[in-house]
Amino acid sequence: EPEVTQTPSHQVTQMGQEVILRCVPISNHLYFYWYRQILGQKVEFLVSFYNNEISEKSEIFDDQFSVERPDGSNFTLKIRSTKLEDSAMYFCASSEWVGGENYGYTFGSGTRLTVV
Amino acid sequence: EDQVTQSPEALRLQEGESSSLNCSYTVSGLRGLFWYRQDPGKGPEFLFTLYSAGEEKEKERLKATLTKKESFLHITAPKPEDSATYLCAVRGANDYKLSFGAGTTVTVRA
Repeated sequence: EPEVTQTPSHQVTQMGQEVILRCVPISNHLYFYWYRQILGQKVEFLVSFYNNEISEKSEIFDDQFSVERPDGSNFTLKIRSTKLEDSAMYFCASSEWVGGENYGYTFGSGTRLTVV
Repeated sequence: EDQVTQSPEALRLQEGESSSLNCSYTVSGLRGLFWYRQDPGKGPEFLFTLYSAGEEKEKERLKATLTKKESFLHITAPKPEDSATYLCAVRGANDYKLSFGAGTTVTVRA
């Protein structure tokens, strides 16, 4: 079964540093997303990406965050100047929509980001 | 803003004891209600998408139903391996993002 692959599985960084989280979406999917889940809280939407541009973003996704599709397979989330409150699980997802119906809105296993 | 409320927060079941989880939602123009399973430290695993009131979908011991205001996930004769957090999410009109509820954590004892 096709998978969304995320690397690394765990990242520890010092406050103020920049991190890049990487994702390989399912190959025939055209819509890509980042979500985060702070420990014990609900999964929250950050950003969606289609046709090489951001299609929607939440209030969480401020100037500290950016996304990029640097090549034909990878999708990245960059967090600049990390803060303690950025510590969370970050999930990448991808989907295909045909005629308004979802075909496989699939999440990766996540990257656990710990800011110390 | 889309809102999703799941109940109960936690559910402890004996193996074989069937039960139901509730997901109440408020969304502007429902374009899909999603159920996911999440194991500790893992990403959400897709179970079902429902699109219109009256729709039902089944997978093994799980059955999801949808009305205009809520969805139920029925677990029939659960086994310990069904222990997980079950997440409900909705997609509204003109959205591709999902809005999640807080989940119901199900523990099935042998």
